[in-house]
Amino acid sequence: EAGVAQSPRYKIIEKRQSVAFWCNPISGHATLYWYQQILGQGPKLLIQFQNNGVVDDSQLPKDRFSAERLKGVDSTLKIQPAKLEDSAVYLCASRNLYRDNEQFFGPGTRLTVL
Amino acid sequence: AQSVTQLDSHVSVSEGTPVLLRCNYSSSYSPSLFWYVQHPNKGLQLLLKYTSAATLVKGINGFEAEFKKSETSFHLTKPSAHMSDAAEYFCVVSDRDSNYQLIWGAGTKLIIKP
Repeated sequence: EAGVAQSPRYKIIEKRQSVAFWCNPISGHATLYWYQQILGQGPKLLIQFQNNGVVDDSQLPKDRFSAERLKGVDSTLKIQPAKLEDSAVYLCASRNLYRDNEQFFGPGTRLTVL
Repeated sequence: AQSVTQLDSHVSVSEGTPVLLRCNYSSSYSPSLFWYVQHPNKGLQLLLKYTSAATLVKGINGFEAEFKKSETSFHLTKPSAHMSDAAEYFCVVSDRDSNYQLIWGAGTKLIIKP
């Protein structure tokens, strides 16, 4: 089966600009996650979707970050405006609700904010 | 609440010698446990997982881990290290109490000496 797809793979922007990331999960996976991984740290969950509804966005900085999954399939994560500390790898993962707890990760988008 | 402690931030071994990466967890319910590996500038790859079946779990690339409930441990081992094993390793726990979200350890950097 095809894996989790993400684009772009790399993005460089200046602070105060906006940026958007796209994720297409594995077909049939109802649960989708966005993580932020700062260099040298483990991934931090930003938001979890179940189909097109938000399950948990408690760690999403809502003043600048937003995410949507309108049709319950692919998802976008947006940052507006970006700050220097947003430089990180943004990972998307998906999970099959009816199987075990394994999450499948995409390759990530490396964001550099100058 | 769930938590994961990776007891070593860095582990250095010589090529051909055994590898031991230590992980302790806390969980209120029967947990699922995972080890993920992340090579430099690469995505996260699942090494192995425990989901209440056999307590000795075999993964890819010769790695294995043993679930010890009495010790709340899930240490990762490999009999003989290879240069290609140099990477960051993350121990992860997930259970019903976390709504099956992944709780990540801080990571252990494995260094292989020639």
